[in-house]
Amino acid sequence: GAGVSQSPSNKVTEKGKDVELRCDPISGHTALYWYRQSLGQGLEFLIYFQGNSAPDKSGLPSDRFSAERTGGSVSTLTIQRTQQEDSAVYLCASELIVAGGETQYFGPGTRLLVL
Amino acid sequence: QKEVEQNSGPLSVPEGAIASLNCTYSDRGSQSFFWYRQYSGKSPELIMSIYSNGDKEDGRFTAQLNKASQYVSLLIRDSQPSDSATYLCASDSSGGSYIPTFGRGTSLIVHP
Repeated sequence: GAGVSQSPSNKVTEKGKDVELRCDPISGHTALYWYRQSLGQGLEFLIYFQGNSAPDKSGLPSDRFSAERTGGSVSTLTIQRTQQEDSAVYLCASELIVAGGETQYFGPGTRLLVL
Repeated sequence: QKEVEQNSGPLSVPEGAIASLNCTYSDRGSQSFFWYRQYSGKSPELIMSIYSNGDKEDGRFTAQLNKASQYVSLLIRDSQPSDSATYLCASDSSGGSYIPTFGRGTSLIVHP
């Protein structure tokens, strides 16, 4: 596709339920990031995938959060037993390495509301 | 703790003026710096990247980098109401980490 896509665009769930968020990166981009952005806050790094290397999970806030990337392309972020503080916009970005640096392209995000 | 600091604003400028957005970073080993624009309710969009000391111009935008002072700025000339958004500053991380550090952003309001 032309850009990074994410689904669903909005998700409302009840506290305690599990949710899955999907990211389709730009074809050919080997790096993929997940971020979380709460209202009025900056971007909080969650997890990073690069090619076939083990992901960097250092930003995941608890063991209720997990992510996988299948076939080096699509990624799924799973939040188990959701809590109200998980409400935020979850952003995915894929990255292109170009001469002199790297550029991240963000998807439109999934707005998660936990009631 | 690697940090990127920005004044949250809002920075309010009249249409046609120059808007100056500033950012400082703590990781002296950072090499790459980025400015993203984020409209309300939308995702960040890269508008400028800079890797070397000095100025880099792209249309109405100029990014300035001073590694000695650990300071990055973005100038927007001939500001338009459509430039009203939150501007996020980001740096890469030294030490082999691929995880960028983002500032919390500066809200810019360009009023007619």
